[in-house]
Amino acid sequence: NAGVTQTPKFRILKIGQSMTLQCAQDMNHNYMYWYRQDPGMGLKLIYYSVGAGITDKGEVPNGYNVSRSTTEDFPLRLELAAPSQTSVYFCASSYSGLAGGHEQFFGPGTRLTVL
Amino acid sequence: DAKTTQPPSMDCAEGRAANLPCNHSTISGNEYVYWYRQIHSQGPQYIIHGLKNNETNEMASLIITEDRKSSTLILPHATLRDTAVYYCIVRVALIQGAQKLVFGQGTRLTINP
Repeated sequence: NAGVTQTPKFRILKIGQSMTLQCAQDMNHNYMYWYRQDPGMGLKLIYYSVGAGITDKGEVPNGYNVSRSTTEDFPLRLELAAPSQTSVYFCASSYSGLAGGHEQFFGPGTRLTVL
Repeated sequence: DAKTTQPPSMDCAEGRAANLPCNHSTISGNEYVYWYRQIHSQGPQYIIHGLKNNETNEMASLIITEDRKSSTLILPHATLRDTAVYYCIVRVALIQGAQKLVFGQGTRLTINP
């Protein structure tokens, strides 16, 4: 299994541009998550999904959109990029198991710079 | 959301046990404590989790106080590859079984030869 994969690894955007960060998992996990990590800080939840067609906002959703048309893929869309969106973006997935499980598996991250 | 408090940095000699403390005094009765680590800005890696009882796996041990207000992660024989930022996390329930990991700033653990 490849686990959680993310593309691209790095990207530089100009202010106002748009892009989609790709995330895919091959573990048949129901739950998927997008986090961002600013320098020296912990991760913050942007959006999450409990299954195909169902998404919800996390702590910091402004400036982002998501969709989940398949179990495997959970793309994150940035519209009108701003310097405040310069960050490292991590995608994660987990299996809906027994209470106390829910280990989240993380991808390698996408480092985004907005200039 | 319950918050966690960790020392910003710690050092440990290679081969010794590394004990990483965490305070989570506002944790609710049904919230789990998770530990993850992050090496060189890679994606966080799961280590261990617990609710009330002490837990052990092949990577580490987790000791949770009886009042659940604090916990300690123990790496029994630290190696240089254990140098990382360690996050003590409270897991918060979302809709339909989803779970949010609430990250603090973590402890930067340095293992010295």
